[in-house]
Amino acid sequence: KQEVTQIPAALSVPEGENLVLNCSFTDSAIYNLQWFRQDPGKGLTSLLLIQSSQREQTSGRLNASLDKSSGRSTLYIAASQPGDSATYLCAVGTNAGKSTFGDGTTLTVKP
Amino acid sequence: SAVISQKPSRDICQRGTSLTIQCQVDSQVTMMFWYRQQPGQSLTLIATANQGSEATYESGFVIDKFPISRPNLTFSTLTVSNMSPEDSSIYLCSADGPYGEKLFFGSGTQLSVL
Repeated sequence: KQEVTQIPAALSVPEGENLVLNCSFTDSAIYNLQWFRQDPGKGLTSLLLIQSSQREQTSGRLNASLDKSSGRSTLYIAASQPGDSATYLCAVGTNAGKSTFGDGTTLTVKP
Repeated sequence: SAVISQKPSRDICQRGTSLTIQCQVDSQVTMMFWYRQQPGQSLTLIATANQGSEATYESGFVIDKFPISRPNLTFSTLTVSNMSPEDSSIYLCSADGPYGEKLFFGSGTQLSVL
């Protein structure tokens, strides 16, 4: 059974800092890995999707990497802003369409 | 990209009643999924809904409690039956993208049961 772990559970940084969120998974036979953002009481917004054959994806200030062999992914956020404050979830997907989610990292960016 | 409209966005319900949550996708999708997010926890898959067949439920979830309909390729409903305070959660529907390559989510239904 796939297990997904996210470290740290919470992170507080001053505005402008670069930061890295970590996601690890136990079964390397994945179809894709996706990073989401969730604001309190809201649904999920997809940030980046990495297919199993890819190593990284970039969107604006966000960069996600994937190392299947070691069962790890990172989400790098450059020049953090207060508006980046949210919970970030990683989800590991199978080719059957199901996804297993980590517990998330709650990020607070202080002005 | 697919857009998923989910409603209601939130509701407060009495113990013992039922609530039906609707999800409408703006394009045809093969698979739709229903997730639950209990307070302070991550998402747990309830069931997979395919058009034309019964939903497939994950361990710990049963059809009598969470009946699901999938009448066509763009629509699905989840009913939370005979609710108790333990059912208070955010419920989210999701679907694969047009080419099955990406998971899109609805905005969620925040349910509180008194």
